[in-house]
Amino acid sequence: AQKVTQAQTEISVVEKEDVTLDCVYETRDTTYYLFWYKQPPSGELVFLIRRNSFDEQNEISGRYSWNFQKSTSSFNFTITASQVVDSAVYFCALSERETSGSRLTFGEGTQLTVNP
Amino acid sequence: EPEVTQTPSHQVTQMGQEVILRCVPISNHLYFYWYRQILGQKVEFLVSFYNNEISEKSEIFDDQFSVERPDGSNFTLKIRSTKLEDSAMYFCASSEEAGNTEAFFGQGTRLTVV
Repeated sequence: AQKVTQAQTEISVVEKEDVTLDCVYETRDTTYYLFWYKQPPSGELVFLIRRNSFDEQNEISGRYSWNFQKSTSSFNFTITASQVVDSAVYFCALSERETSGSRLTFGEGTQLTVNP
Repeated sequence: EPEVTQTPSHQVTQMGQEVILRCVPISNHLYFYWYRQILGQKVEFLVSFYNNEISEKSEIFDDQFSVERPDGSNFTLKIRSTKLEDSAMYFCASSEEAGNTEAFFGQGTRLTVV
């Protein structure tokens, strides 16, 4: 069965600090997909990134970067020079295989608060 | 930019009443989903739908729940007889393909059962 663990329930930083959100996953499949979603105070879920299990290259998008390590089953998310607008709940999620209608299994989420 | 839209944004209903939550997925997407998020908790999968039938459902999705695509654009979630514990945010999502592509979520419907 698939499982996603986000051990950090809440993180509070001061603006311009770097912050890393941890995500550890469990799956028996060799093919799977990892995602990060952002949930701002307004409540919607905003897609940030998708990574497949065969691509361990790290990715950078502006102030965001992701570190995928299969050896430790982790897919961590770093925000560089955080801003107040980054305050949100961040969810890591896992999808197994390419079968029809594969469900997303979400972690518990990490509430990030960036203080001015 | 195409988006998933959900109506209503907030629904209050009495326990035991039936509710229908509506969603319009992105037009060229083939896979549709419902998720729910109880306040302060994680997002949980309810059901996925493809080719006019349920492709997967979770243990939460019992006989009180049903989904339908009544026409070419809408995707609905019906809760037959609501319970207090059904109070949650319900998210509709759609994707072009199955689990290997990102699902785009609607803004959610907050259901409050009183």
